[in-house]
Amino acid sequence: AQRVTQPEKLLSVFKGAPVELKCNYSYSGSPELFWYVQYSRQRLQLLLRHISRESIKGFTADLNKGETSFHLKKPFAQEEDSAMYYCALRAYGGATNKLIFGTGTLLAVQP
Amino acid sequence: GAVVSQHPSRVICKSGTSVKIECRSLDFQATTMFWYRQFPKQSLMLMATSNEGSKATYEQGVEKDKFLINHASLTLSTLTVTSAHPEDSSFYICSASTGSTEAFFGQGTRLTVV
Repeated sequence: AQRVTQPEKLLSVFKGAPVELKCNYSYSGSPELFWYVQYSRQRLQLLLRHISRESIKGFTADLNKGETSFHLKKPFAQEEDSAMYYCALRAYGGATNKLIFGTGTLLAVQP
Repeated sequence: GAVVSQHPSRVICKSGTSVKIECRSLDFQATTMFWYRQFPKQSLMLMATSNEGSKATYEQGVEKDKFLINHASLTLSTLTVTSAHPEDSSFYICSASTGSTEAFFGQGTRLTVV
């Protein structure tokens, strides 16, 4: 079954502290994983994808196939990072593909 | 980046009536569009995936006769909630993709059925 699990509904940290948002997935094929972010009153937007291996706004995420994880990390959190973060998996099947989301983690960065 | 426009952003309708929500990709051709439903403080639940010119693929548990999806062109998909009831009240979000690239999201539509 295709599934994305984000175990934490809320993660609260102080400004300057390291952040790790957990994401685990279940998928029989070769996974394509993403992190999406939703700031207050804004639409969902792509933060980063594993195939790009890039750092966006100081965030990085490494795909670990052995642990089926794609955790999002940032060494020093900023207040403007406060948002809802969703891990997503693109699943391919036949003629269609679909984007499956985890339940999301609300990151609250305290001053 | 690419822009996806969803209309209307808010709609209130009477129980028993139908409501149509439009999703447009403004500056790119979307071969695939996704429709999601989001309950308060919960994740996005994929309702269906539609490819241009073909029938939508619905997720398990989603009534295809209740939620009619049309993807008539590469820039427009519509979701029609038929015979709406209060339990259909929710936040509906569309996203558009050119296939293997990232998906771009609309701003969502808040549907309230009274």
